[in-house]
Amino acid sequence: KNQVEQSPQSLIILEGKNCTLQCNYTVSPFSNLRWYKQDTGRGPVSLTIMTFSENTKSNGRYTATLDADTKQSSLHITASQLSDSASYICVVSPFNDYKLSFGAGTTVTVRA
Amino acid sequence: SAVISQKPSRDICQRGTSLTIQCQVDSQVTMMFWYRQQPGQSLTLIATANQGSEATYESGFVIDKFPISRPNLTFSTLTVSNMSPEDSSIYLCSVGGSNEQFFGPGTRLTVL
Repeated sequence: KNQVEQSPQSLIILEGKNCTLQCNYTVSPFSNLRWYKQDTGRGPVSLTIMTFSENTKSNGRYTATLDADTKQSSLHITASQLSDSASYICVVSPFNDYKLSFGAGTTVTVRA
Repeated sequence: SAVISQKPSRDICQRGTSLTIQCQVDSQVTMMFWYRQQPGQSLTLIATANQGSEATYESGFVIDKFPISRPNLTFSTLTVSNMSPEDSSIYLCSVGGSNEQFFGPGTRLTVL
């Protein structure tokens, strides 16, 4: 069974600090790996999409990395802001399949 | 990208009743997906709705409980039938394919 595991489950950081979220997956072969941000009461919004041949992708203060050999990805948030408080979901898209594999998400709380 | 709207955004329902959720997309799409997100958990695919054919349901979900309509390429409905408190979740519709999926804002359903 394809699995996507995220860690930590939740974390609290002070405004202005950095943090890194982890994603390990077993989906193989895969088409792309995505990080989504889901604000409370809203649908997920895509932050980054990486194919298996890419190892880093940035979107503003968000930087995702991918190591396809070890099947690991990370999302780094730089200089966190209160608006970064959300759930961050790692999603892997299998090759030639529209059915996505979702991680359980990491809940980030940014405190002033 | 695609802009997706859902109605209602939230509802509180009595057990035994049914609720129909609408999903509208601002462009024609081939595949639409319905997901459930139970409290504190990630997204689970309920079914895939294709225009002009029966929806394809995932394991654990049946048409009698979650009937789906797809009358055209921009619209779909999901009905949650004979509701119980265990159906309390966020229901999201999504469009796209293996390269990218966009999510609607979700419908937060509470069953008393």
